[in-house]
Amino acid sequence: LAKTTQPISMDSYEGQEVNITCSHNNIATNDYITWYQQFPSQGPRFIIQGYKTKVTNEVASLFIPADRKSSTLSLPRVSLSDTAVYYCLVGANRDDKIIFGKGTRLHILP
Amino acid sequence: NAGVTQTPKFQVLKTGQSMTLQCAQDMNHNSMYWYRQDPGMGLRLIYYSASEGTTDKGEVPNGYNVSRLNKREFSLRLESAAPSQTSVYFCASSEPRSGGASETQYFGPGTRLLVL
Repeated sequence: LAKTTQPISMDSYEGQEVNITCSHNNIATNDYITWYQQFPSQGPRFIIQGYKTKVTNEVASLFIPADRKSSTLSLPRVSLSDTAVYYCLVGANRDDKIIFGKGTRLHILP
Repeated sequence: NAGVTQTPKFQVLKTGQSMTLQCAQDMNHNSMYWYRQDPGMGLRLIYYSASEGTTDKGEVPNGYNVSRLNKREFSLRLESAAPSQTSVYFCASSEPRSGGASETQYFGPGTRLLVL
């Protein structure tokens, strides 16, 4: 399984765009990149997944450069309710054991 | 459609006591998982079950046993609880995604366990 590295914590202000970068230097050819969000006292929930280039949904965008050794989760115009821990995971098929690291603790300030 | 449910929500045990954490999902998923999350830490996989009748160890299986009772239910048992097992326990289930992508996991609300 590819190991991921992401910042331990980040602060931002309401209305700003927040970018959280994840490094995964030994990503395998078949691996996808997945991000989860976890609010306090809740289980994680799926945000977005991608393989290459750019993926966008109603919550976030995911940017993946051509070498796929890193990825950036972009949250547009954050609000206080986006305060959460964000996990970057790398894996492929259903036989992979998904490994959650410590994630990035995002704190949005008013 | 309740998704993933867990019982109990909270539990206090004394060292040496046993208990079973229950998990059920109504999404017809094949794979189910048990994680623990210690304060300020990420999730660590205890056991998982790729399908009914199969279970495999994760990162931190010691002190735990699991049972995949049927496709819906996956239980976690602590035979002799220790203070080091104080944690929040999350159950999850997953569905396959198209094109070989990594499965999406759906998590329950968690069980908060305190072992004195």
